[in-house]
Amino acid sequence: EVQLVESGGGLVKPGGSLRLSCAASGFTFTTYTIYWVRQAPGKGLEWVSSIGSRATYIFYADSVKGRFTISRDNAKNSLYLQMNSLAAEDTAMYYCARGRGGTTPIDSWGQGTLVTVSS
Amino acid sequence: DIQMTQSPSSLSASIGDRVTITCRASQSISSYLNWYQQEPGKAPKLLIYAASGLQSGVPSRFSGSGSGTDFTLTISSLQPEDFATYYCQQSYSNLITFGQGTRLEIK
Repeated sequence: EVQLVESGGGLVKPGGSLRLSCAASGFTFTTYTIYWVRQAPGKGLEWVSSIGSRATYIFYADSVKGRFTISRDNAKNSLYLQMNSLAAEDTAMYYCARGRGGTTPIDSWGQGTLVTVSS
Repeated sequence: DIQMTQSPSSLSASIGDRVTITCRASQSISSYLNWYQQEPGKAPKLLIYAASGLQSGVPSRFSGSGSGTDFTLTISSLQPEDFATYYCQQSYSNLITFGQGTRLEIK
């Protein structure tokens, strides 16, 4: 069974940092592109970042570029999102998800970890 | 970035109804359009990929069509478990974008 389990969310003050993790199991991690997608409370889905199977390509949404850094450790079947200079508008549920990359869909999602940015 | 616009934003329908949701891209995305269902408090679930491909395990009452800039998701006969929010998403560009969502409610 495919599993993507996010962790690391919590309450952080504006300007602070947080590192999210995603532990993958049940599939060959090294052959999938992994994504972070977020959803602000009561709002729609917003793609945040993508990293290719060998980290040969990385993309960011304009809203997080320069503040967030995506990385992966294929030896540990894990994905990370380092979030710096957090602002209130970064408050959201953050989902880890997988796909084959390129033009293919996101086919599996984790249950998410909640990040709240507030003083 | 490619903008995705869904309509309607919300929709009330009854069990057994046929429902259609539309999604329009700001530029041609060929058939690289996917549909997701999200139930309250849950993660999204892939329903349709590449405009018309039915994801494994998804009931056949769901179907998708379209190409270029205009796409539709159709539910042929609404069931109680279908009341949820639906999102389109383009995978034509590496900078992925989603529609704003269509909330399907029970009439």
